[in-house]
Amino acid sequence: AQTVTQSQPEMSVQEAETVTLSCTYDTSESDYYLFWYKQPPSRQMILVIRQEAYKQQNATENRFSVNFQKAAKSFSLKISDSQLGDAAMYFCAYRAANFGNEKLTFGTGTRLTIIP
Amino acid sequence: DAGVIQSPRHEVTEMGQEVTLRCKPISGHDYLFWYRQTMMRGLELLIYFNNNVPIDDSGMPEDRFSAKMPNASFSTLKIQPSEPRDSAVYFCASRRDRGTSGDTGELFFGEGSRLTVL
Repeated sequence: AQTVTQSQPEMSVQEAETVTLSCTYDTSESDYYLFWYKQPPSRQMILVIRQEAYKQQNATENRFSVNFQKAAKSFSLKISDSQLGDAAMYFCAYRAANFGNEKLTFGTGTRLTIIP
Repeated sequence: DAGVIQSPRHEVTEMGQEVTLRCKPISGHDYLFWYRQTMMRGLELLIYFNNNVPIDDSGMPEDRFSAKMPNASFSTLKIQPSEPRDSAVYFCASRRDRGTSGDTGELFFGEGSRLTVL
């Protein structure tokens, strides 16, 4: 079974600084998708960024980028120029790419605090 | 476009009562998922549907839980009878079928229904 591990229950960063959230996963599949979701106090889960395993290039979305290391099964999220609005729970998630395997498996989350 | 719509947003009930949570997925999405979020267990998949048909309900904790999707625009998650340990936030999410135009693999979530069973 696939598992997703986030080893940092809490992180904090000074406003305008850069922070990296860690995620590792375990799978025997060769093709899959990885996601980072943000859950602000409003509770709704919002997609931050996604990565397809067959793509070697790391995904980037404005201030958010990932460091995808397929061999190490690592998928970290880097937030540059942190803003107060980035404060939230961040969840790493995995989904296999093969048809019939539709489950999105989440890590336990990292609570990010932004220090003004 | 409207997102995934869930109701109620908050529900407080007493042990033994029936609880029904509702979800309207995004129009055109073929998959619908019900997740439960607790501090102890994180986000757990309860059940998911494809084209209104339940595909995997292995995450449903007990027979007290049931889910239906009578049509493409509506799903319910029912707990009968409810117990205090059912207290959690229940999320509904939907997405397009794989390979369809616009499919990015992204799962779109509703705002969740916070259930408190006293």
